[in-house]
Amino acid sequence: KAGVTQTPRYLIKTRGQQVTLSCSPISGHRSVSWYQQTPGQGLQFLFEYFSETQRNKGNFPGRFSGRQFSNSRSEMNVSTLELGDSALYLCASSTGDRDTDTQYFGPGTRLTVL
Amino acid sequence: GNSVTQMEGPVTLSEEAFLTINCTYTATGYPSLFWYVQYPGEGLQLLLKATKADDKGSNKGFEATYRKETTSFHLEKGSVQVSDSAVYFCALSERGTSYGKLTFGQGTILTVHP
Repeated sequence: KAGVTQTPRYLIKTRGQQVTLSCSPISGHRSVSWYQQTPGQGLQFLFEYFSETQRNKGNFPGRFSGRQFSNSRSEMNVSTLELGDSALYLCASSTGDRDTDTQYFGPGTRLTVL
Repeated sequence: GNSVTQMEGPVTLSEEAFLTINCTYTATGYPSLFWYVQYPGEGLQLLLKATKADDKGSNKGFEATYRKETTSFHLEKGSVQVSDSAVYFCALSERGTSYGKLTFGQGTILTVHP
């Protein structure tokens, strides 16, 4: 079974621009979670989508948004980029069953904001 | 809120040495516990998990036991290899309430020398 895929793997943007990252979950998984990884803050939860609905959200500003499509693929958007948004963005998929909730991660998208 | 604390790193060992990485947690409910590993330039891979007290997760020679009385989930391996060099993350997921959200420790860098 194919794993979680993320595109693109690397991105360079400038301050003020916006960016869209994509995540394709493992086949059959309906939940997609997004995380930001930085050296200073570590791994922080952004949000989770299940069956096209956002079920949970972390403590990030409204510039960070996401959506999920009917095939469970998910996109994350960051508007008005700031230097501090430079990070590795990871998505993870799971079945969405709250009692098993094992998440499987993709390779990440490395975003650099100049 | 929930939190995970890992031992300070980095950890440097010689091949075939015994490894322990300490992990303690605080949670308002009854969490599932995980260890993930991250190799350079990659996403997170699930190493092992435990879902209830006294459960022992194991994989690739690594083990960790869910200790509810001490709120701990320490990672151990009897004989490390150079290929085990990576960053190790302890994480928890609070069942039933925190949809799709993993709370991570700060990570422990392990370097194994031949």
